[in-house]
Amino acid sequence: AQTVTQSQPEMSVQEAETVTLSCTYDTSENNYYLFWYKQPPSRQMILVIRQEAYKQQNATENRFSVNFQKAAKSFSLKISDSQLGDTAMYFCAFMKQGGATNKLIFGTGTLLAVQP
Amino acid sequence: KAGVTQTPRYLIKTRGQQVTLSCSPISGHRSVSWYQQTPGQGLQFLFEYFSETQRNKGNFPGRFSGRQFSNSRSEMNVSTLELGDSALYLCASQANGYNEQFFGPGTRLTVL
Repeated sequence: AQTVTQSQPEMSVQEAETVTLSCTYDTSENNYYLFWYKQPPSRQMILVIRQEAYKQQNATENRFSVNFQKAAKSFSLKISDSQLGDTAMYFCAFMKQGGATNKLIFGTGTLLAVQP
Repeated sequence: KAGVTQTPRYLIKTRGQQVTLSCSPISGHRSVSWYQQTPGQGLQFLFEYFSETQRNKGNFPGRFSGRQFSNSRSEMNVSTLELGDSALYLCASQANGYNEQFFGPGTRLTVL
């Protein structure tokens, strides 16, 4: 069975600073996807960034980038130039590739507060 | 394209009642997944439907059930409600061949 662990329940960062959220996972699968989802207060969950396990290059999306270490089963999210709108709960998630299901397994989340 | 919609957005029920939640996926998406979000248990997978068939089910009691219609809209039903069923129920749709799930706003269920 796969598990996803986020060891930082809460984090705080000053506006314009950089913050890194940690995520580790456990799986015996070789092919899978990893995701970071953002859930702002009372708003919809949206995808921030995704990583295919077969790709060695770390994914980047504007101010968001990941550090994917497959051997260490680590998948951290770096947010550069933090903005007030980045305040949200961030969830790391795992999905097996190629299975007959689209089940997402989530970590417990990290509540990020961006301070002005 | 319209996003994933869920109705109702809020529900208050009492113990022992049953409830039906509805989810309309993004047009063209045939996969619909349901998740339960609680402060204590976090986000947990309930089940996934694809082309009207349940493909996977999470570790929830049989009181939790679902179905999908030919237009891909999905419903989930919880019977004999318990206090612990109070949660935000999220629905997500996914296009075939793609790995991104798009989430709806959720239905907040309160069981008194």
